[in-house]
Amino acid sequence: AQSVTQLGSHVSVSEGALVLLRCNYSSSVPPYLFWYVQYPNQGLQLLLKYTSAATLVKGINGFEAEFKKSETSFHLTKPSAHMSDAAEYFCAVSNTGGFKTIFGAGTRLFVKA
Amino acid sequence: EAGVTQSPTHLIKTRGQQATLRCSPISGHTSVYWYQQALGLGLQFLLWYDEGEERNRGNFPPRFSGRQFPNYSSELNVNALELEDSALYLCASSQDRGLATNEKLFFGSGTQLSVL
Repeated sequence: AQSVTQLGSHVSVSEGALVLLRCNYSSSVPPYLFWYVQYPNQGLQLLLKYTSAATLVKGINGFEAEFKKSETSFHLTKPSAHMSDAAEYFCAVSNTGGFKTIFGAGTRLFVKA
Repeated sequence: EAGVTQSPTHLIKTRGQQATLRCSPISGHTSVYWYQQALGLGLQFLLWYDEGEERNRGNFPPRFSGRQFPNYSSELNVNALELEDSALYLCASSQDRGLATNEKLFFGSGTQLSVL
């Protein structure tokens, strides 16, 4: 069975500070991992995905995530937070068949001026 | 190109009533997925439709049902509403049937269902 745990339902950072959103997964087979972002009053958008190629994945808006098999983690980072990054972020895992994508509970990112 | 559209944006119902939520996928996408986003629970897979047929469903009771029309739009019906059905219902579409290659899902903005 697969599962996803996002550590911290709320994360607050200052503008310009490092953003780190944590995600740990469990999967009995090599996983596909995703980060989605949900801006207020909008649907989810794909930020980036890991599909067993490079372990460091670069996404849109300056975000990147590193797949660490030994730690079963796929943390999302951005070197410098912008006010526009304030949103809810979802980590997700799947193996085959995207309809079985398992989503984490989400982490709301607050960015302070 | 228009994205995934959902209607209505908000829906308020009372216990025991029925709710109908609608979704139009991106043009050319044949697969439609429904997810429930309840507070603090993340996204839960509800239903997957492709080419007009229900291909798979998540762990939800039978009062959650739906259909897909010939133009690939979809409806989600929730009968005998309960308070815990209050959630954001998201529709997503994909060009790739079943996402076998794990191509990305495109999500709508959702319908916020409130059951009073």
